[in-house]
Amino acid sequence: QKEVEQNSGPLSVPEGAIASLNCTYSDRGSQSFFWYRQYSGKSPELIMFIYSNGDKEDGRFTAQLNKASQYVSLLIRDSQPSDSATYLCAVKTNTGFQKLVFGTGTRLLVSP
Amino acid sequence: GAVVSQHPSWVICKSGTSVKIECRSLDFQATTMFWYRQFPKQSLMLMATSNEGSKATYEQGVEKDKFLINHASLTLSTLTVTSAHPEDSSFYICSARDISGQGFQPQHFGDGTRLSIL
Repeated sequence: QKEVEQNSGPLSVPEGAIASLNCTYSDRGSQSFFWYRQYSGKSPELIMFIYSNGDKEDGRFTAQLNKASQYVSLLIRDSQPSDSATYLCAVKTNTGFQKLVFGTGTRLLVSP
Repeated sequence: GAVVSQHPSWVICKSGTSVKIECRSLDFQATTMFWYRQFPKQSLMLMATSNEGSKATYEQGVEKDKFLINHASLTLSTLTVTSAHPEDSSFYICSARDISGQGFQPQHFGDGTRLSIL
């Protein structure tokens, strides 16, 4: 079992719709979770991080965390074509260096 | 916001050449920087954790003599790919975390270096 799993997609949504991206993780002791966006040929950029159960909202983005189910999701409201990218879920390990373990990413396509 | 600069952004060189990549935190200090490698259509794989003033910690399967890491200051880490071969062609990305401030600080990524070995 992979440490961090994501559906590779592509996930296709029309402009203005809500995009829902999901991620599961295997280490029940994980405490912090991150969503990064990566455009083709570019490096990842941080969108949000969350470490408490429940929802965390930032503009059009909402991160949801359910530690009991080992599940974290990212909702993108009013999706725009510029949101088309690969979204990487990352989980912080509990080692001293606080490494991140990344999922393989979900490719999102927002059509005009 | 925290800015991480990575240089060069693109390298093409012959097999057997050694290539050095620099990673700088521009507006913050970072005791720890991370080096990742990403092959096409795959996720980021951590290669090593770079610690200021001490030896880097390499992930399993990563040759430390092949990928030399130096972290001489709180704002600069370098990765040298020694005697590079075509299979080393990849997208190399560094990240750094701001050590100042309260609470957990997320990693910020450089723009990456695309390495192509002919």
